Amino acid sequence: GAVVSQHPSRVICKSGTSVKIECRSLDFQATTMFWYRQFPKQSLMLMATSNEGSKATYEQGVEKDKFLINHASLTLSTLTVTSAHPEDSSFYICSAETGDLSPWEAFFGQGTRLTVV
Amino acid sequence: GQSLEQPSEVTAVEGAIVQINCTYQTSGFYGLSWYQQHDGGAPTFLSYNALDGLEETGRFSSFLSRSDSYGYLLLQELQMKDSASYFCAADNYGQNFVFGPGTRLSVLP
Repeated sequence: GAVVSQHPSRVICKSGTSVKIECRSLDFQATTMFWYRQFPKQSLMLMATSNEGSKATYEQGVEKDKFLINHASLTLSTLTVTSAHPEDSSFYICSAETGDLSPWEAFFGQGTRLTVV
Repeated sequence: GQSLEQPSEVTAVEGAIVQINCTYQTSGFYGLSWYQQHDGGAPTFLSYNALDGLEETGRFSSFLSRSDSYGYLLLQELQMKDSASYFCAADNYGQNFVFGPGTRLSVLP
């Protein structure tokens, strides 16, 4: 199946700093990628839809100035958590779809566990 | 918008059969997916139902009834490794997926 690589898998940062998370589709081109946040024992909450070459579409309640998304190529989307605070500590996961190959199947990255201290 | 409901927890023994239900309220519903997620890991795709009926893939089967806004995931011959969280997800206009709250399955020896 298609492979999505997410990096880093774990990061600890100080409050007030910024963290960048990368999501790469390794063996296919992904015009659309999705970013989710998951708190412990809870569901995946869609944060934004990342479209190659255009601005991301953010879900209601997600601060676009805090969670910067860049999708500069067909294989890479990045999520930058700016001025991180302890309440931003969470599991962040990206996913990508292969388009026509498997339009109903989302392939997920390994996730990034962010801890803000 | 879309909202989905699932039981929060299910417990079963090895070798048993378990059914995880999912009901949804949606607009623009295209289909229903199921994902498995082990603790600390990423979700992995199990199945997708676009049409009513049962889809079988090995030990796992998934069912959809559009008229009832209802679906389920059936796991047979349970194994310890099946202990995980299972999420149903509604295909929202073919644009993205809205995930249910998840069902934590515990398989006991």
